[in-house]
Amino acid sequence: GENVEQHPSTLSVQEGDSAVIKCTYSDSASNYFPWYKQELGKRPQLIIDIRSNVGEKKDQRIAVTLNKTAKHFSLHITETQPEDSAVYFCAAMKNHGDTGRRALTFGSGTRLQVQP
Amino acid sequence: DVKVTQSSRYLVKRTGEKVFLECVQDMDHENMFWYRQDPGLGLRLIYFSYDVKMKEKGDIPEGYSVSREKKERFSLILESASTNQTSMYLCASSFPGASMLYTDTQYFGPGTRLTVL
Repeated sequence: GENVEQHPSTLSVQEGDSAVIKCTYSDSASNYFPWYKQELGKRPQLIIDIRSNVGEKKDQRIAVTLNKTAKHFSLHITETQPEDSAVYFCAAMKNHGDTGRRALTFGSGTRLQVQP
Repeated sequence: DVKVTQSSRYLVKRTGEKVFLECVQDMDHENMFWYRQDPGLGLRLIYFSYDVKMKEKGDIPEGYSVSREKKERFSLILESASTNQTSMYLCASSFPGASMLYTDTQYFGPGTRLTVL
């Protein structure tokens, strides 16, 4: 099956600094890589995603890069703000099991704290 | 707006009890998922369903079963709850990736924090 490793587990930055979270995956068949943000006591919500036919995607202060050869992808947040404080999860999607249905494997999460 | 709801936010049960967690989505999504979330382990897939009455094991199905009798509703069943099943349980739904509405985005419910004593 797929294995997704995420680093670091905690990250503290000063407001205005950049934050980078890295993930690696094991199965080269994975072809969709979303990032979810979970604020304290809330449900995870998709913030950005990238498919395997694209190397980079940007949405305002958030960007994701994908290196298929190395099987790793990263989340970049620029000009961090206190409201960026949350747990961030990366994930990789591939066809799952005998039916070939698509399912996500999540990383273990990164707790980002932005200090004002 | 996609709405995914779960039957309880907090649940306390005793070891050996049969526990039902229910998830309902209102977006006519074909795919539904059950995850458990534990600190340092992320979200781990228990079971998912891609159609009514269809189910597939995830990465940690042991001790759990599921039921999908209607498209909008997906139930997670703990046949005999144990203390190691104390966790946050999250339901999610999505359109299937191969459809015209290709998205793969999963929409999560608010979670049920289950404590087994």
